[in-house]
Amino acid sequence: DTGVSQDPRHKITKRGQNVTFRCDPISEHNRLYWYRQTLGQGPEFLTYFQNEAQLEKSRLLSDRFSAERPKGSFSTLEIQRTEQGDSAMYLCASSLGAGFSYNEQFFGPGTRLTVL
Amino acid sequence: EDQVTQSPEALRLQEGESSSLNCSYTVSGLRGLFWYRQDPGKGPEFLFTLYSAGEEKEKERLKATLTKKESFLHITAPKPEDSATYLCAVQTYSGTYKYIFGTGTRLKVLA
Repeated sequence: DTGVSQDPRHKITKRGQNVTFRCDPISEHNRLYWYRQTLGQGPEFLTYFQNEAQLEKSRLLSDRFSAERPKGSFSTLEIQRTEQGDSAMYLCASSLGAGFSYNEQFFGPGTRLTVL
Repeated sequence: EDQVTQSPEALRLQEGESSSLNCSYTVSGLRGLFWYRQDPGKGPEFLFTLYSAGEEKEKERLKATLTKKESFLHITAPKPEDSATYLCAVQTYSGTYKYIFGTGTRLKVLA
């Protein structure tokens, strides 16, 4: 399968714990995006990388959230000191683009986080 | 403030009953409008990109159109397997890129 993969698919944690999610993009894609989606809402942009550089961060991404993309391949999203409001589906997407090119983003299956 | 609004929120159709979903936007520096399909518990699946007013794209029973203020997703003779949430998204650029999704239209097609 050459699509975007995410791991784990489901995560249940207790409030205050740290969690880390992984995303493996489509191999030739240089751009990688993280979104958060709650029930009945569209995905909300969190951050995006072009290769290993984090180029944009939403103000939704508080200092408890950190994302990395070492070597421009897979990416991790860490949430520290989780809160119940962090419960959501975390989606990763990737695309191929440069400069002002248009971005057709291909999404992974998501990681569903439940904070108790 | 950039905004993307989709209507209706939910739509029930009989199999074969054609209809249209609307995505209206108020953004600066539009760089593209995208339609996605999302099934429950899954990530969005890319359908179409539209770049400029007057453009149209088709795929099976779906046709997407774009004007300067809105986009329509026309569904012709839908089947139950077309049931899903349809999301519209815009990419804008005004110094930095933004990717803004609407809240979606939940479509249910009854056999």
